[in-house]
Amino acid sequence: DSGVTQTPKHLITATGQRVTLRCSPRSGDLSVYWYQQSLDQGLQFLIQYYNGEERAKGNILERFSAQQFPDLHSELNLSSLELGDSALYFCASSVEDRLSPLHFGNGTRLTVT
Amino acid sequence: GQQVMQIPQYQHVQEGEDFTTYCNSSTTLSNIQWYKQRPGGHPVFLIQLVKSGEVKKQKRLTFQFGEAKKNSSLHITATQTTDVGTYFCAGPQDKLIFGTGTRLQVFP
Repeated sequence: DSGVTQTPKHLITATGQRVTLRCSPRSGDLSVYWYQQSLDQGLQFLIQYYNGEERAKGNILERFSAQQFPDLHSELNLSSLELGDSALYFCASSVEDRLSPLHFGNGTRLTVT
Repeated sequence: GQQVMQIPQYQHVQEGEDFTTYCNSSTTLSNIQWYKQRPGGHPVFLIQLVKSGEVKKQKRLTFQFGEAKKNSSLHITATQTTDVGTYFCAGPQDKLIFGTGTRLQVFP
């Protein structure tokens, strides 16, 4: 158990809809990362927060947004969903900013139909 | 932008054979991290290398960081079926970028 909690585990929704993925980092970790992993593909970096502030951005679509709250949990919002957004979305946390190892949650599997 | 490539993309070995995956970055890295993702699982941190030329061992796994800090390798001696999974390297720049991964399949 990595200590990182992601909810929900599975999400099935229709095109055009909006969903929210939630992540609670490991106790004591200040940094939260979001990654997207399509079927049998690599880990695409979406966005990173450190202690409530956006720290780095990857190739995150404009339809996607995220935030980290004062209690350090994070949410990833995906809107106007398309079939191609179907993927496994991982949240990871670390103690520091970038140089510390990441601890991954079990992921949320999103299926857009 | 920063790119981190890994080769090979896939590797099938017989149990007991050795396995090596190579990681190459387009930019110099402050450190390199290695992760393993079992089928159906999430990436799990294995090790971090910081110094130029550093070599670290974990049982049958040997990790190496290149002298120029732009490449790294993971070598597994005498693979076992428990080694099955995808191995990722990751290097931080302004963001933590993961390599393309090497999927290892071990046949008993």
